[in-house]
Amino acid sequence: DIQMTQSPSSLSASVGDRVTITCRASQNIDNYLNWYQQKPGTAPKLLIYIASSLQSGVPSRFSGSGSGTDFTLTISSLQPEDSATYFCQQSYSAPRTFGQGTKVEIK
Amino acid sequence: QLQLQESGSGLVKPSQTLSLTCAVSGGSISSDGHSWNWIRQPPGKGLEWIGYFYHSGSTYYNPSLKSRVTISVGRSNNQFSLNLSSVTAADTAVYYCAREATGRGYFDYWGQGTLITVSS
Repeated sequence: DIQMTQSPSSLSASVGDRVTITCRASQNIDNYLNWYQQKPGTAPKLLIYIASSLQSGVPSRFSGSGSGTDFTLTISSLQPEDSATYFCQQSYSAPRTFGQGTKVEIK
Repeated sequence: QLQLQESGSGLVKPSQTLSLTCAVSGGSISSDGHSWNWIRQPPGKGLEWIGYFYHSGSTYYNPSLKSRVTISVGRSNNQFSLNLSSVTAADTAVYYCAREATGRGYFDYWGQGTLITVSS
């Protein structure tokens, strides 16, 4: 199985800050990397697919980059509604695997 | 708008079989280009992919659960189901059904999730 490792596990930032979350795969996954946002008590929501494509309806302050083994999710200007846990997921091979999550809190 | 809705017993006894159904509306599970998946999340923990079902009948299961999992078409129209046998407390989780874009591997539609507790 491909292992996905996210960092940091949690962060606290102020409204308007630029926030970056990283995800590292245990082997090359080309650009088959997806990002999700999950708020308490709700299902994950797709934000970014194939490393850098923005899902329809997702605010443009979210962006993704990377290829191979190293990927980033960036929130260009953090908003209060962005308080959530973010997960990366590889879709290069089965079984699909997820990172352990990064909890983003607003200061 | 595609919608998915999980249903099933919320409490299962150890060693018994967990059974869930996902009802799909606003689209067809027989459409090409998508697979139908189950994913679970233990309380306070991360996400674990269980497996998928494709309308042709093909399936793929996570090797960590393969010996206990069956995903198949549901009894009613436009539904698919999950059976997980010989459950233990470690199977306590929120179970989600989700659609995957075949070949791209991202989950673009999710059900709201249902909490399944394994306890005597």
